[in-house]
Amino acid sequence: EVQLVQSGAELRKPGESLNISCKGSAYSFTKYWIGWVRQMPGKGLEWMGIIFPGDSDSKYSPSFQGQVTMSADKSINTAYLQWSSLEASDTAMYYCARRVSGRNDVFDLWGQGTMVTVSS
Amino acid sequence: IQMTQSPSSLYASVGDRVTITCRASQGIRSDLAWYQQKPGKAPKLLIYAASSLQSGVPSRFSGSGSGADFTLTISSLQPEDFATYYCQQDYNYPLTFGGGTKVEIE
Repeated sequence: EVQLVQSGAELRKPGESLNISCKGSAYSFTKYWIGWVRQMPGKGLEWMGIIFPGDSDSKYSPSFQGQVTMSADKSINTAYLQWSSLEASDTAMYYCARRVSGRNDVFDLWGQGTMVTVSS
Repeated sequence: IQMTQSPSSLYASVGDRVTITCRASQGIRSDLAWYQQKPGKAPKLLIYAASSLQSGVPSRFSGSGSGADFTLTISSLQPEDFATYYCQQDYNYPLTFGGGTKVEIE
């Protein structure tokens, strides 16, 4: 089955680091961009950035540039979203999603989401 | 680019025709997608390029518009359609979403 499977929920304290993952299966992972989307509790969708696992080329939203780091390990079909120092305001659901092939920057395959809770 | 959806919520009954609008702060050609999100679930792509139906999406969903004004229409609302709907522009980076429209049971 073509799918993206994300790592499980995380509870962290402010100032801690975190790395969440998104593993693709049953498709050519290195040929599709992977995007990250934040959804704060009870709120809408925010695009964070996008990475191409084939060569790790990436583009960040200005709102998230410098706040998070996207990476990918193509040998294990996995993309990552990393924080070096979490804040309470990072509490949210984070989704990875596959960008469609072609010219459209839209997302046709989504992970199940990873809930990140930052609390002292 | 700011994306503004209206209404933010609406009440409707099964069988109703439902229309949701999305306005961009500048012209975005036809570079617009619509997603459906149900509680506790990831978004699902419905429409891309303003009017192209994603594979597997029922034909009661349709999209229209170009430039700055767009519409998502559900021709006959079904029980499984009660959800929140988001538009997203892919004209340029950063990609941006509308604030969402929650479709609730009347």
